[in-house]
Amino acid sequence: NAGVTQTPKFRVLKTGQSMTLLCAQDMNHEYMYWYRQDPGMGLRLIHYSVGEGTTAKGEVPDGYNVSRLKKQNFLLGLESAAPSQTSVYFCASSYSLTSLGYTFGSGTRLTVV
Amino acid sequence: DAKTTQPPSMDCAEGRAANLPCNHSTISGNEYVYWYRQIHSQGPQYIIHGLKNNETNEMASLIITEDRKSSTLILPHATLRDTAVYYCIVRATGTASKLTFGTGTRLQVTL
Repeated sequence: NAGVTQTPKFRVLKTGQSMTLLCAQDMNHEYMYWYRQDPGMGLRLIHYSVGEGTTAKGEVPDGYNVSRLKKQNFLLGLESAAPSQTSVYFCASSYSLTSLGYTFGSGTRLTVV
Repeated sequence: DAKTTQPPSMDCAEGRAANLPCNHSTISGNEYVYWYRQIHSQGPQYIIHGLKNNETNEMASLIITEDRKSSTLILPHATLRDTAVYYCIVRATGTASKLTFGTGTRLQVTL
C-alpha cells in the first residue's frame, strides 16, 4: 500500500517547455488535489477533483491544466513553463467530504530556467 | 473557511511538552480545527482534528477552548524528529473538501 505516489521527484525545464506531473493513489479516494509550495507562502491549491472525470480550479490555477481520467490518477500539466512556476508541487487525496484528513505525496521539485 | 493565526516560530527542549497555539476567532459552528505538520522537504502529515471536545491520539492532544476561538496542539514529549512546520487549519464540513494552508509555526526541538 503505497499511499500517494508522485512522479517525477525532480525536474528541470527550460522556459516554454511542457511537462506533466503524475499523481497516483491506491486508497480508492474520491478527492484529489494539487498544491504548490513556495518559500514563506505555505501551500496554495492549484486544482482539485471531486471524482473521476471532474476537475475544479483552486487559488492559483493559471498556467496549469489537470485531468482525472481514472479515479486513481490526477495529472497536472504545464503547457508552457515559466520561471514563476519554479516550486515544489504536492499532490494529496482524501476519501470524502468528511474524511479525517488528507494523504500527501512526497512532492515534485520543479525548476524552470 | 475561517482564518487562523499562529506564531511564526517556537522552540522546545527535547523531552518537554510542546504547546503550539492557534487563534481562530471567526470560526463558525460547523468548522473543524485540523492540525498538520510538514517535516523538511516532505509532504504534510495529518496529526489530529476536532470540533469542540478535546481530542487525543497517539501523536498529540488537541485542546479547544470553550468558545472555540482558539486551540492548542500539545506534543507531550517532544523529540528531535518533531522539528517541523505545524499548520492549524479551520475547515467547514459539507463544502468542497479542500484545505487552505497558511504559513504555520516552525517548531525547533533542541537537545
